[in-house]
Amino acid sequence: RKEVEQDPGPFNVPEGATVAFNCTYSNSASQSFFWYRQDCRKEPKLLMSVYSSGNEDGRFTAQLNRASQYISLLIRDSKLSDSATYLCVVNTNAGKSTFGDGTTLTVKP
Amino acid sequence: EAGVAQSPRYKIIEKRQSVAFWCNPISGHATLYWYQQILGQGPKLLIQFQNNGVVDDSQLPKDRFSAERLKGVDSTLKIQPAKLEDSAVYLCASSLNPGLDAETQYFGPGTRLLVL
Repeated sequence: RKEVEQDPGPFNVPEGATVAFNCTYSNSASQSFFWYRQDCRKEPKLLMSVYSSGNEDGRFTAQLNRASQYISLLIRDSKLSDSATYLCVVNTNAGKSTFGDGTTLTVKP
Repeated sequence: EAGVAQSPRYKIIEKRQSVAFWCNPISGHATLYWYQQILGQGPKLLIQFQNNGVVDDSQLPKDRFSAERLKGVDSTLKIQPAKLEDSAVYLCASSLNPGLDAETQYFGPGTRLLVL
């Protein structure tokens, strides 16, 4: 079993739709959690950190459930520019990062 | 502020040849990471440096891969000899410090390696 697993893609949604991605992790000692975005043939870039209380940044909402060991990303009112691969990242308290394989989102007109 | 620099951007070699990649992190960033990203997969950590010391190299194939970070700044990753399965994008990233509030990793553009 992989340390970090993500919903298999691809997700194809129309503009304006709401879409949610889940990510599960196996290491219960994991301390910090992130969502990165990776555009085609580009490097990953931080989208948002995920806090225990949940956090929101505009149309994006991230949630953490430590008991069930999963994190989620919700995108509301999808835009064409949201098309990308979304990578879930889990860090241990030693600072070791493990990336999921990503979920690909395509937003269509 | 300048980002993470990597070179070369592309490299094509034949199997059993050697190749080296270079990375210059963001100024002041103590932590440097090398990742391998195979098409369709997420980045896999190869090695992590804190200043010029190795923090984690558990997934580095040490029979063929080596990395160094002299003086705690620039880093090089070498593959010798290369195999077909080494074809991937090699990403370098840096972060200020692996503390809880400063773990954002900033990635360079990557080096695309094709082994024939």
